[in-house]
Amino acid sequence: GAVVSQHPSRVICKSGTSVKIECRSLDFQATTMFWYRQFPKKSLMLMATSNEGSKATYEQGVEKDKFLINHASLTLSTLTVTSAHPEDSSFYICSANAGGRRNQPQHFGDGTRLSIL
Amino acid sequence: AQKITQTQPGMFVQEKEAVTLDCTYDTSDQSYGLFWYKQPSSGEMIFLIYQGSYDEQNATEGRYSLNFQKARKSANLVISASQLGDSAMYFCAMREYRDDKIIFGKGTRLHILP
Repeated sequence: GAVVSQHPSRVICKSGTSVKIECRSLDFQATTMFWYRQFPKKSLMLMATSNEGSKATYEQGVEKDKFLINHASLTLSTLTVTSAHPEDSSFYICSANAGGRRNQPQHFGDGTRLSIL
Repeated sequence: AQKITQTQPGMFVQEKEAVTLDCTYDTSDQSYGLFWYKQPSSGEMIFLIYQGSYDEQNATEGRYSLNFQKARKSANLVISASQLGDSAMYFCAMREYRDDKIIFGKGTRLHILP
């Protein structure tokens, strides 16, 4: 079945560091990918829609300069948390719609646990 | 306004019993899809079942079925013969086809008791 690979699975780094998270669709092309953020015991909050070849669409309240999204190919989207601070610590998870058909489920990566010290 | 409402933050169910997880949604669109995902403590999102707004029959996938009541805008998940491995967080989600975004409810934490 459709697989989305997310890397790294866990990051621990110092405050002020920029962290890049990759999301790859392994056996399908994804013109659109989605980035979510999840706090402990909370729901997934959509941060932005990553569009191949164009600018990402950010949800209200999400800082574009803080969370840089690049979708340079049909199989790769990256989220860069710039100058990360402890409040950016969270679980980040990406998803993509396999085949572009709307009745298909979103396939999720396994997520990235980001801890900023 | 909240688009997906899950009113049960937590549930405890005896093993082998059936369990219903509630979900109501709000949309003015005619075309949309409803999903249920399971998230174990490890964090990955596991797709369980899908129901399209035009589907006349309730979706079923093994032990999972979706009780779709369009007029009430509800899409409850029914798990039959619950197992210990069903203990997890369950999210109801909706995709409005006009923008393809998937919005999640707050989730229900299900605990299956031996």
